[in-house]
Amino acid sequence: NAGVTQTPKFQVLKTGQSMTLQCAQDMNHNSMYWYRQDPGMGLRLIYYSASEGTTDKGEVPNGYNVSRLNKREFSLRLESAAPSQTSVYFCATIPRLAVQETQYFGPGTRLLVL
Amino acid sequence: QKEVEQNSGPLSVPEGAIASLNCTYSDRGSQSFFWYRQYSGKSPELIMSIYSNGDKEDGRFTAQLNKASQYVSLLIRDSQPSDSATYLCAVVPSGGYQKVTFGTGTKLQVIP
Repeated sequence: NAGVTQTPKFQVLKTGQSMTLQCAQDMNHNSMYWYRQDPGMGLRLIYYSASEGTTDKGEVPNGYNVSRLNKREFSLRLESAAPSQTSVYFCATIPRLAVQETQYFGPGTRLLVL
Repeated sequence: QKEVEQNSGPLSVPEGAIASLNCTYSDRGSQSFFWYRQYSGKSPELIMSIYSNGDKEDGRFTAQLNKASQYVSLLIRDSQPSDSATYLCAVVPSGGYQKVTFGTGTKLQVIP
């Protein structure tokens, strides 16, 4: 089992370009999350999907859109990238939206916006 | 006030010593507490979870929770250089898992 996979691993964009970050899991988990991690800021929730067919905003959703394509896949789209979106992006999953569940993280995508 | 606060460090301890990492949180109704370890350039991985007051031990790691004082700590006994990493505290507040909040992390350096 691959667990949680993310593509690409690294990307350089110019301001205004668009791109989609992909996340896939083979653990049959219901809930999926997108975080960004910046130095000194910790992990901040961008969007989450409690279950297939639902998505909700997190702490920092501006400039992003998401799609829960099916139970396995949750993508994050930057329509018009800005330098402020330079960050490391992590996808995470949990089996179900219950307080004692543990999150499983993907390897991350490093994004540089010039 | 930040919802989850950690000292950013670095916390330097000699090999074999006990490392003590602390985390405070603001939501008194918080239900679940997690410690993640993150090596540089890698993703967070779960070290410990704790849900009720008291201590929980797993090998060299002990998590301590005091809900009255709103803090959670992680003790690492017999610290090893391989423990050098950033440790993230995560708290699930009364609003549920969709509101999970991470601290900014404490960098631990274990000196051989």
